Amino acid sequence: EVQLVQSGAEVKKPGESLKISCTASGYSFTSYWIGWVRQMPGKGLEWMGIIHPGDSETRYSPSFQGQVTISVDKSISTAYLQWSSLKASDTAMYYCARLSRAAAVNPFDDWGQGTLVTVSS
Amino acid sequence: EIVLTQSPGTLSLSPGERATLSCRASQSVSSSYLAWYQQKPGQAPRLLIYGASSRATGIPDTFSGSGSGTDFTLTISRLEPEDFAVYYCHQYGSSPRTFGQGTKVEIK
Repeated sequence: EVQLVQSGAEVKKPGESLKISCTASGYSFTSYWIGWVRQMPGKGLEWMGIIHPGDSETRYSPSFQGQVTISVDKSISTAYLQWSSLKASDTAMYYCARLSRAAAVNPFDDWGQGTLVTVSS
Repeated sequence: EIVLTQSPGTLSLSPGERATLSCRASQSVSSSYLAWYQQKPGQAPRLLIYGASSRATGIPDTFSGSGSGTDFTLTISRLEPEDFAVYYCHQYGSSPRTFGQGTKVEIK
């Protein structure tokens, strides 16, 4: 069974850094693209980017390029989403998700439970 | 960037009724790389349809997708109580991938 388990909720101040995680199990981690989706409070889904754990090729949405960094640690089957300087507008639920097949042209199929990030002074 | 516009914003229906949700793309979605997701409050999205018309694993046949090019439809033939939720379309054929803004199906 594919499982994506995300790290717990975070409360941070503006300007602080943050790295949240998504640990995968139940499949070959290096064979499937994995990515991140933002959902701001009461709003819709926003595609942030994806990474291939096999070679760390990363594709970002222009809306998030330069604002966040997506990375992986193959040795522990974990993907990360990080910020160097948080803003209040980064307050959202963040989901990790795996593409349904090995190629990049596939939808997200399996999802993590979400990590709530709250940024407030 | 392909902009996906969903309509209506909210659909008020009774259990047993048919729901028809629309997703219109600002440009053609290549190879019908269009998916539909269902999201309930406090839960992660669930994949329903991919490739415009193929049901994902475990999705009942009351859900069907159709369309091509710029116009796509999700149909729920008979609404069950558990089908009241928010539905999103998603194109994954062009970069950047994008989602529609969602249609809420609520109990009338």
